[in-house]
Amino acid sequence: KQEVTQIPAALSVPEGENLVLNCSFTDSAIYNLQWFRQDPGKGLTSLLLIQSSQREQTSGRLNASLDKSSGRSTLYIAASQPGDSATYLCAPEYGNKLVFGAGTILRVKS
Amino acid sequence: GAGVSQSPSNKVTEKGKDVELRCDPISGHTALYWYRQSLGQGLEFLIYFQGNSAPDKSGLPSDRFSAERTGGSVSTLTIQRTQQEDSAVYLCASSLSRTGELFFGEGSRLTVL
Repeated sequence: KQEVTQIPAALSVPEGENLVLNCSFTDSAIYNLQWFRQDPGKGLTSLLLIQSSQREQTSGRLNASLDKSSGRSTLYIAASQPGDSATYLCAPEYGNKLVFGAGTILRVKS
Repeated sequence: GAGVSQSPSNKVTEKGKDVELRCDPISGHTALYWYRQSLGQGLEFLIYFQGNSAPDKSGLPSDRFSAERTGGSVSTLTIQRTQQEDSAVYLCASSLSRTGELFFGEGSRLTVL
């Protein structure tokens, strides 16, 4: 069974800190991996898409790395801001579907 | 449109009634997906469309659930004889291709009383 684990489950940090969110997946036969954020009561917003042949992807203060062989991805958030507060979801793609982790709830305090 | 549009945003229904949820994907996106998000289960895949065909229906939880897509665009998810366990947020997503970046709508929150 394809399972995705995200650690930590929740994180509370002061503004300005650099953060690391971890994702691990049991089946390494992925097509790609996508990171999303979800604000309360909202849909999912795509942050980064990493193809299986890539090692990392960057967008602004966000950097995601992928180690397919070990079944891990990491999302780095630099210089965190209160607006970064949300739930962050990792989702590797298998065939026709994404399999989601339970997410990391991030709170950035001002 | 600019993004994935879903309607209704909220639906309250009585147990046993049928409901229809609509998804209007981003123009030009050939791949369309339905997911369900509930408190106990997280985000679950329901069905995948490529054009008007549904090559993967493996996530539909029972035969009370069905979906169609017409004109390679709008999709409707139908739940017949709703049960309380069907209460969840139903999310639709689209992408340019099967392995492309997914863009999600805001979801339809279904409450079955």
